Amino acid sequence: ETGVTQSPTHLIKTRGQQVTLRCSSQSGHNTVSWYQQALGQGPQFIFQYYREEENGRGNFPPRFSGLQFPNYSSELNVNALELDDSALYLCASSSGLAGGSYNEQFFGPGTRLTVL
Amino acid sequence: GESVGLHLPTLSVQEGDNSIINCAYSNSASDYFIWYKQESGKGPQFIIDIRSNMDKRQGQRVTVLLNKTVKHLSLQIAATQPGDSAVYFCAENREGGTSYGKLTFGQGTILTVHP
Repeated sequence: ETGVTQSPTHLIKTRGQQVTLRCSSQSGHNTVSWYQQALGQGPQFIFQYYREEENGRGNFPPRFSGLQFPNYSSELNVNALELDDSALYLCASSSGLAGGSYNEQFFGPGTRLTVL
Repeated sequence: GESVGLHLPTLSVQEGDNSIINCAYSNSASDYFIWYKQESGKGPQFIIDIRSNMDKRQGQRVTVLLNKTVKHLSLQIAATQPGDSAVYFCAENREGGTSYGKLTFGQGTILTVHP
């Protein structure tokens, strides 16, 4: 296991509702990235948090928002849920930004969100 | 952005055979590439990586080849085992600057290994 945990495991919501997903990063990791994985597709980058600040965003609307806490755990919030938001939401943690040097990202098991 | 399809390519092999999984990447500025394995109900798991200043890198039973001229990446798995059955994704990243750690994933390939 990677040491990255996510909750809840599964979630069912209806269109228009709001949802909050949680991620606990691996010990010592200060960077968390969130990805959306639709069925049969590769993960798509949503945004990244580094030391409690958003550090880049993919092609997702503002109703996708996030937070990172002082202990580096993170939340992903989605407002006004749409049917197409049904997906596996993955978070990945890494040991931080290092100029020009990649630090491996460790993925959690994901939260399966179903929007009806 | 990348294009993704709704139907993943599939590769079916016999146990003990060698497997080759291919990937075309889109961003010529990408300088770091990773292969991930994703089993059902789990998040992607790191297999091997390669930087753009290399064209080959070997790990345990796995080899990654990079052809920057045609923006092509391949993963070779030697002596494939049933436990290798999974979906395999390539991912690209541009190191440094604001693109750090923001992976762009490929379509994925379903590998099935028959005993």
